[in-house]
Amino acid sequence: DTAVSQTPKYLVTQMGNDKSIKCEQNLGHDTMYWYKQDSKKFLKIMFSYNNKELIINETVPNRFSPKSPDKAHLNLHINSLELGDSAVYFCASSPLRLMNTEAFFGQGTRLTVV
Amino acid sequence: GDSVTQMEGPVTLSEEACLTINCTYTATGYPSLFWYVQYPGEGLQLLLKATKADDKGSNKGFEATYRKETTSFHLEKGSVQVSDSAVYFCALSRVISGGYNKLIFGAGTRLAVHP
Repeated sequence: DTAVSQTPKYLVTQMGNDKSIKCEQNLGHDTMYWYKQDSKKFLKIMFSYNNKELIINETVPNRFSPKSPDKAHLNLHINSLELGDSAVYFCASSPLRLMNTEAFFGQGTRLTVV
Repeated sequence: GDSVTQMEGPVTLSEEACLTINCTYTATGYPSLFWYVQYPGEGLQLLLKATKADDKGSNKGFEATYRKETTSFHLEKGSVQVSDSAVYFCALSRVISGGYNKLIFGAGTRLAVHP
């Protein structure tokens, strides 16, 4: 069983469209994250949720809206897609405290906006 | 703010060569330090970690020692293999408000190992 799974793996869409990426973890973790990886491989955190509650929101445009229906799911909805949104988006999860443990990452969703 | 700086890649080596990827950090307090690896087309996986000064993390022949005096966590391997070709990320775990943590990553270093 995949620990952190994201769908879809690839997403090609036109500017101005609205799209969603889904993430599910079966590890029983309390905390989930969305990271964005740009074309130079730089990883930046976007959001973090703990038990459906927003913990981190890192200066992300309002067009990005995370939704956590339960602690095992964290979906990312993007409105009015722009060319600059093209990137690989990674979902991750961890136990509540990261200091002595690791985050588990999904395989990523490659979003291409044309 | 807290940050992680890694040496720029790509690093290109022949099989069985020695590897060092430099990583230094800036942080308040004493963060935990991690190396993550990303193989082509995959997500990130934890390679090793160290949670306090002088700790040495090790896994799959890779090692890194948490050096508080030099704020460094360099990744080393004595003999690399073609299968080690990947992007390597140094990261620190920083406590934010409410006692939660977040990972701050370096820019990543691509390693290419040739037979």
